[in-house]
Amino acid sequence: KNEVEQSPQNLTAQEGEFITINCSYSVGISALHWLQQHPGGGIVSLFMLSSGKKKHGRLIATINIQEKHSSLHITASHPRDSAVYICAVRWNTDKLIFGTGTRLQVFP
Amino acid sequence: EAGVTQSPTHLIKTRGQQATLRCSPISGHTSVYWYQQALGLGLQFLLWYDEGEERNRGNFPPRFSGRQFPNYSSELNVNALELEDSALYLCASSLVGSVDTEAFFGQGTRLTVV
Repeated sequence: KNEVEQSPQNLTAQEGEFITINCSYSVGISALHWLQQHPGGGIVSLFMLSSGKKKHGRLIATINIQEKHSSLHITASHPRDSAVYICAVRWNTDKLIFGTGTRLQVFP
Repeated sequence: EAGVTQSPTHLIKTRGQQATLRCSPISGHTSVYWYQQALGLGLQFLLWYDEGEERNRGNFPPRFSGRQFPNYSSELNVNALELEDSALYLCASSLVGSVDTEAFFGQGTRLTVV
């Protein structure tokens, strides 16, 4: 069993839809990252959070430490949001443990 | 401000050769991390350097090694290349090796071993 699991693996949506990507982890963590990877491989860090909720534009990330669960929400989705979204957790050492990613495609 | 830069963007090598990948962190960042993303697999932690020292490494054979220079840039060396080393190698940097510090990623080097 992976220490970090994401769902769904693949997600398609129509432009404007509200999107939720989930991340569950099985280890105690100090921080959780949401990353966005575009075709070609470049990665952008969207959020780093250790509690509560963060918002940036149309993106919202929440984390529940007790339940070991985080969600990434995209409001009013747009085709340019199409990418792979990766959840990564940071625990006792400094390395990140990554989920396998959620491939999102938003159609016009 | 320039982000994390990696070079080259693409690299093609044959089995048995050595590959050298380079990473320049964001100015002021002292920690550099290397990750491997093989086709069909998720990102895997490779190495962490901070202040010129190797601080941690993932479950990779000794063929994978690296170093960090006084200016905090880093090299990843892969010796005796094998076909399964073909992957995207990503570098990230952060301010210090702290568990609560955000990491910034480079665009990656795509290594193809033929």
